[in-house]
Amino acid sequence: DAKTTQPTSMDCAEGRAANLPCNHSTISGNEYVYWYRQIHSQGPQYIIHGLKNNETNEMASLIITEDRKSSTLILPHATLRDTAVYYCIAPPDDKIIFGKGTRLHILP
Amino acid sequence: NAGVTQTPKFRVLKTGQSMTLLCAQDMNHEYMYWYRQDPGMGLRLIHYSVGEGTTAKGEVPDGYNVSRLKKQNFLLGLESAAPSQTSVYFCASNMGDTTNYGYTFGSGTRLTVV
Repeated sequence: DAKTTQPTSMDCAEGRAANLPCNHSTISGNEYVYWYRQIHSQGPQYIIHGLKNNETNEMASLIITEDRKSSTLILPHATLRDTAVYYCIAPPDDKIIFGKGTRLHILP
Repeated sequence: NAGVTQTPKFRVLKTGQSMTLLCAQDMNHEYMYWYRQDPGMGLRLIHYSVGEGTTAKGEVPDGYNVSRLKKQNFLLGLESAAPSQTSVYFCASNMGDTTNYGYTFGSGTRLTVV
């Protein structure tokens, strides 16, 4: 299982872009990078995933470095509702093992 | 289309009692998972299933049993509840192509064992 490393917590001002980093230096060639978030007391929510190329959807953008050893999740215009724990995961098979994630605080 | 539904949402058990948590999905998903989350902690995988009639152990399977008799349902059983099993339990499902689709999670079952 590719180990991922994320900062414990981050702050971001409301309306600004939130950039959440993740290191996955042991990731193998066929392991995808997934991002989920968990808003207080709710079930985790899938955000985005990618393999090599950068990805964008209605929620966020995912930037993966060329060597695939790290990635950044970008929330382009953070709102107070984006306050949550964000998990970066690189599962080797059909089950996801969650780490501690990054607690993102959006400041008004 | 309800997604993933967990029943019950809350439960208080006495030590030694048994109970079954039900997870139901209406998306025709192949894979289903049970996680637990202790206060202030991350999610830990208990058991999972990659298809009807199959189950497998996750990170913390002891004290739990599961069954997947129907594709749409995944049951988590506690045979003899202990206070250490006080937690929030989340169920998740995936259509079976985890490289292209994320998991869908339920809203959780909050279990207290006294």
